[in-house]
Amino acid sequence: QQQVKQSPQSLIVQKGGISIINCAYENTAFDYFPWYQQFPGKGPALLIAIRPDVSEKKEGRFTISFNKSAKQFSLHIMDSQPGDSATYFCAAISGNTPLVFGKGTRLSVIA
Amino acid sequence: GAGVSQSPSNKVTEKGKDVELRCDPISGHTALYWYRQSLGQGLEFLIYFQGNSAPDKSGLPSDRFSAERTGGSVSTLTIQRTQQEDSAVYLCASSLGGQPYGYTFGSGTRLTVV
Repeated sequence: QQQVKQSPQSLIVQKGGISIINCAYENTAFDYFPWYQQFPGKGPALLIAIRPDVSEKKEGRFTISFNKSAKQFSLHIMDSQPGDSATYFCAAISGNTPLVFGKGTRLSVIA
Repeated sequence: GAGVSQSPSNKVTEKGKDVELRCDPISGHTALYWYRQSLGQGLEFLIYFQGNSAPDKSGLPSDRFSAERTGGSVSTLTIQRTQQEDSAVYLCASSLGGQPYGYTFGSGTRLTVV
């Protein structure tokens, strides 16, 4: 059973556009929701994260929107750049249990 | 070192052989995790070590998989009698114990079973 469902599987966005990746979860015990960015040949790296007591968190061009009642959260990348082309993973965690990851979204930003 | 180091970076093995994958976590990180990344399948949790506690082995897919962590530092993931479906990238991460944030991943070992 997949605990965190991520969509879309792949995404192509024009340079300067907005990239949106969505995730949904079922386990209401999850209390921390990070996003990871992975470039080819590298391990995932923490990009931005949110706790369920806030509805939005922004860091530069990256924003997480969180809807606790719908059990959904999303990553928005504003003014997308070719350098943002990577695979993005949403994840969730409860207490000290290991992170549970979505299946990933491959983002391509084209000029 | 400053990051999580994994070796080898690539490993090609014949079906039925045993393989060992190594992970050197960040110094001082008490938690260590192994994940498997298969194409289109995201990151699948395998095993988790936290300090001196018994490891959480709930993600290991079969008894052919095992891992140990010596001296609270270096970890080795062993796959016995490898199968073609074991082909994947094996990622190791470490973090400060009890902290959900700050997982630092290594670059992984790409395992190919032929």
